[in-house]
Amino acid sequence: AQSVTQPDIHITVSEGASLELRCNYSYGATPYLFWYVQSPGQGLQLLLKYFSGDTLVQGIKGFEAEFKRSQSSFNLRKPSVHWSDAAEYFCAVANLHGSSNTGKLIFGQGTTLQVKP
Amino acid sequence: ETGVTQTPRHLVMGMTNKKSLKCEQHLGHNAMYWYKQSAKKPLELMFVYSLEERVENNSVPSRFSPECPNSSHLFLHLHTLQPEDSALYLCASSQDPAGGTYTGELFFGEGSRLTVL
Repeated sequence: AQSVTQPDIHITVSEGASLELRCNYSYGATPYLFWYVQSPGQGLQLLLKYFSGDTLVQGIKGFEAEFKRSQSSFNLRKPSVHWSDAAEYFCAVANLHGSSNTGKLIFGQGTTLQVKP
Repeated sequence: ETGVTQTPRHLVMGMTNKKSLKCEQHLGHNAMYWYKQSAKKPLELMFVYSLEERVENNSVPSRFSPECPNSSHLFLHLHTLQPEDSALYLCASSQDPAGGTYTGELFFGEGSRLTVL
């Protein structure tokens, strides 16, 4: 069955430090992968997505992610974190091959990022 | 106009009340979704509408009743809710999941924070 695992529930980094949020997926075909960010009390905003092509994808707010098929991973990175990056981050994979093709997006449980001044 | 708009942003209701959440999308999409986000739980997909037809109902209790009068509007009617139904309810839209260009990307509203007393 398709699934997404974010091993780190909570991460704390200092402002200006680098960041890597982990995401592992289980999916039988070529995945469509996403990272979303949710600020407190807000909806989810798309940071970046991977469909095909270059395995290193650039997103908004200085984020990037690298698709590694051999490791079934799609880790999110940022070279220098800002205090405004404190939020919850969700990795997701699109289930495009379900029998009903209802467009289900499978989310990980999320990683909460805290930024220390 | 923002892409996906949800109203109200906050709602407090008693267990015997009847209320509705409203979602409107201005992106020209053909599919709309309701998700429930509770504290410390993964996002739960509740309902999916594609071309105004309900295509998925994830074992949601009947006290939640969705309505999709057209492709731009989605409602969630609430009746005799329980305190455990308190959560953030997120609406999302996408291209038609059965369409050839569908990628799985969802566009979210900012959510309606529901508190059931």
